[in-house]
Amino acid sequence: DTAVSQTPKYLVTQMGNDKSIKCEQNLGHDTMYWYKQDSKKFLKIMFSYNNKELIINETVPNRFSPKSPDKAHLNLHINSLELGDSAVYFCASSQAGVYTEAFFGQGTRLTVV
Amino acid sequence: KQEVTQIPAALSVPEGENLVLNCSFTDSAIYNLQWFRQDPGKGLTSLLLIQSSQREQTSGRLNASLDKSSGRSTLYIAASQPGDSATYLCAVYDGANSKLTFGKGITLSVRP
Repeated sequence: DTAVSQTPKYLVTQMGNDKSIKCEQNLGHDTMYWYKQDSKKFLKIMFSYNNKELIINETVPNRFSPKSPDKAHLNLHINSLELGDSAVYFCASSQAGVYTEAFFGQGTRLTVV
Repeated sequence: KQEVTQIPAALSVPEGENLVLNCSFTDSAIYNLQWFRQDPGKGLTSLLLIQSSQREQTSGRLNASLDKSSGRSTLYIAASQPGDSATYLCAVYDGANSKLTFGKGITLSVRP
């Protein structure tokens, strides 16, 4: 029973295409995140949503558009994909508050060719 | 701006050794600190969470400490095993901004 699940796990696509990554959490958390892990394995936050509202947009190109239809879902849509978008994208969730352990999905490896 | 540093970037030890992984952060106004493990090609597994008011947390052979005022945390691994080989990431949570900031990780290799 996966707590944070992302689909797809692997995504290979051509430059210029539009693609989406879906994320769902069944932990009842009210905060969800998208992180990007680059080729050097560094994890950097892209977006943070709390109760379906955008909290953080960390200077991400506007080709990236998150959508949160409800508290349990945070999808990531990417327009006009570029080679530099190739990375592993992680979805995560946590409960707001001091004791807020974050749980991560298994990641989506995006390769733009 | 919060910065999290983990040094060294890689560490190789013989099996059975006790070891300490270090993490430092620049802004002490954190809600908590979390240690994660990442295996190659896999997601992140949460190992330990220390709240800002706590000094340490233990889980099995792992013990994490937090000195918030000096901006430091350590992850102690007792009696290391080859199965402990992975990348260990430290992350601090800024509750005011709903944001986890990660270090670059320490890649640990435990030799049989």
